Amino acid sequence: SQTIHQWPATLVQPVGSPLSLECTVEGTSNPNLYWYRQAAGRGLQLLFYSVGIGQISSEVPQNLSASRPQDRQFILSSKKLLLSDSGFYLCAWNVRTRSGNTIYFGEGSWLTVV
Amino acid sequence: AQKVTQAQTEISVVEKEDVTLDCVYETRDTTYYLFWYKQPPSGELVFLIRRNSFDEQNEISGRYSWNFQKSTSSFNFTITASQVVDSAVYFCALKDSSYKLIFGSGTRLLVRP
Repeated sequence: SQTIHQWPATLVQPVGSPLSLECTVEGTSNPNLYWYRQAAGRGLQLLFYSVGIGQISSEVPQNLSASRPQDRQFILSSKKLLLSDSGFYLCAWNVRTRSGNTIYFGEGSWLTVV
Repeated sequence: AQKVTQAQTEISVVEKEDVTLDCVYETRDTTYYLFWYKQPPSGELVFLIRRNSFDEQNEISGRYSWNFQKSTSSFNFTITASQVVDSAVYFCALKDSSYKLIFGSGTRLLVRP
């Protein structure tokens, strides 16, 4: 079956520390992958999306970066976190069927920068 | 440009009432997909439905129903006989020919017992 996993689920990081959030999908190949962020009480903001290994498109200029070292792995990183980076981060993937595309989300990662 | 508007920021109803969540979208593409997601307090985004632009049939799933009207660019979501467990934030989203899934700002639904 097709599944998506995201970790860690929760983390508290000091300002200026690095960040690494990881997302992997199973049961499919060459998926489109996405990173979204949701600030407290706000909507969802698309940060990055990837259509293949090493192919990353950035939507919002900021101190975050993304990488896709393997087909089913998508990593969100930062060298130095800011307070404004706090939020709920969601990885998503695109499932293609005969009738069209559906995007499913991982469990999310709660990041608090202190 | 793509845009999704959910004008209702928050709705409060009493259990067993019917409630409709509005969604209006903008896109220049003729082929696109519309989605509804539910976000309960735990945070995960739960997929509810996808609608293709070429299929305007309304859909019913249990107490949930969706009304897709291309003429008004709307994709509204109705919960019949609401329950406390329906309390959540509901997001409407659009995906057209680009790879992006664009979300509305969400509607917080509170169902009171």
